[in-house]
Amino acid sequence: QVQLQESGPGLVKPSGTLSLTCAVSGDSISSSDWWGWVRQPPGKGLEWIGEIYHSGSTNYNPSLQSRVTISLDKSKTQFSLRLSSVTAADTALYYCARAHFSVSTWCFDYWGQGTLVTVSS
Amino acid sequence: DIQMTQSPSSLSASVGDRVTITCRASQSISSDLNWYQQKPGKVPKLLIYAASSLQSGVPSRFSGSGSGTDFTLTISSLQPEDFATYYCQQSYSTPRTFGQGTKVEIK
Repeated sequence: QVQLQESGPGLVKPSGTLSLTCAVSGDSISSSDWWGWVRQPPGKGLEWIGEIYHSGSTNYNPSLQSRVTISLDKSKTQFSLRLSSVTAADTALYYCARAHFSVSTWCFDYWGQGTLVTVSS
Repeated sequence: DIQMTQSPSSLSASVGDRVTITCRASQSISSDLNWYQQKPGKVPKLLIYAASSLQSGVPSRFSGSGSGTDFTLTISSLQPEDFATYYCQQSYSTPRTFGQGTKVEIK
């Protein structure tokens, strides 16, 4: 059973950097999957942030691209999200998820429980 | 970016009703369309992938159809546990955008 678990500070100051880690178990982070981040502001919908492949290849949402970095730590079977220059608009529940290739397309089949990050002074 | 538009944004239905939710892409996405269910305070759950394939463990009352730009999620007979918000997501290209969600409420 694949499990993902987010961790990181729940409070970040404006203009600071949000840093989260997702620990993966039950699957190799070097498998043929993408590992992604999705966020959800309180009471709002889902926003795709970006993803990383085991080769280190990344894709980012253009709306965040200048501020976001996703990296992989194979030795620790985890991947990370960094979002710089945060504002209150970045306050959200952040999920990590596995994007698996099924039939003919990629889909998020396993998700972490989510971690709430609040941007406030 | 490919924009995903769901309709309606919300609906009220009764147990046993047939419910249909529509998702429209701003350009053709072939069959690269997924559906997720999210209950309040819970993690999104994959229901349908590749437009019409049912995820393992998902009840057969859920079905998906469509290709190109127009897709539908159908619940054949709404059950109490189906009251939730449903999101479509395109996986044709990055960013892999989500629809704004459709909230299914109890009538």
